Amino acid sequence: ETGVTQTPRHLVMGMTNKKSLKCEQHLGHNAMYWYKQSAKKPLELMFVYNFKEQTENNSVPSRFSPECPNSSHLFLHLHTLQPEDSALYLCASSQVSLRGDNEQFFGPGTRLTVL
Amino acid sequence: AQKVTQAQTEISVVEKEDVTLDCVYETRDTTYYLFWYKQPPSGELVFLIRRNSFDEQNEISGRYSWNFQKSTSSFNFTITASQVVDSAVYFCALSEGVLTGGGNKLTFGTGTQLKVEL
Repeated sequence: ETGVTQTPRHLVMGMTNKKSLKCEQHLGHNAMYWYKQSAKKPLELMFVYNFKEQTENNSVPSRFSPECPNSSHLFLHLHTLQPEDSALYLCASSQVSLRGDNEQFFGPGTRLTVL
Repeated sequence: AQKVTQAQTEISVVEKEDVTLDCVYETRDTTYYLFWYKQPPSGELVFLIRRNSFDEQNEISGRYSWNFQKSTSSFNFTITASQVVDSAVYFCALSEGVLTGGGNKLTFGTGTQLKVEL
């Protein structure tokens, strides 16, 4: 595997279900990110992890729970979601730099539909 | 607050036409970084270019070129002789620098859907 991978690619869940999204990066980066992409809206940053430590939580509802066991893996645990949470969830990784200039590399995303 | 505006929601061109995608940004920082990403139908955002605020030289990469003008806070992207494979959503993004604890925060525009037809 190369780059950033995400599983599953598609997920349909009911509002009472619990599911998890998985992201893995094979680039040796030390920062990982979750973004939400809804139709007609800019990408919204949800969480940032640097060396497994969360450095940003962009006011995300508690029904989204991230987990970063190591620098290569990132999870997003979902429970009691709402239909408005239906979106494309993108994972990204980057090498941390002191200037904040490094590009982020994205996975293909998980298309989530909440019924 | 930092902001990125891509006023063109959708552009349709015929193959071999040149097309320019506009990006206007707002920031109070003197040091910042601008990016362009391409999102094909597969969903994955593909990094195209990074430009820092100190370097206003235009850049050309094959059929792609970028025009960075600090005076107008714009970072426009031109595709020359467009091809059907260029059809995608293109995003402009601005880096807000380093987050406390590490990582960097990108502010994205809403994207421009480019359709290139035969």
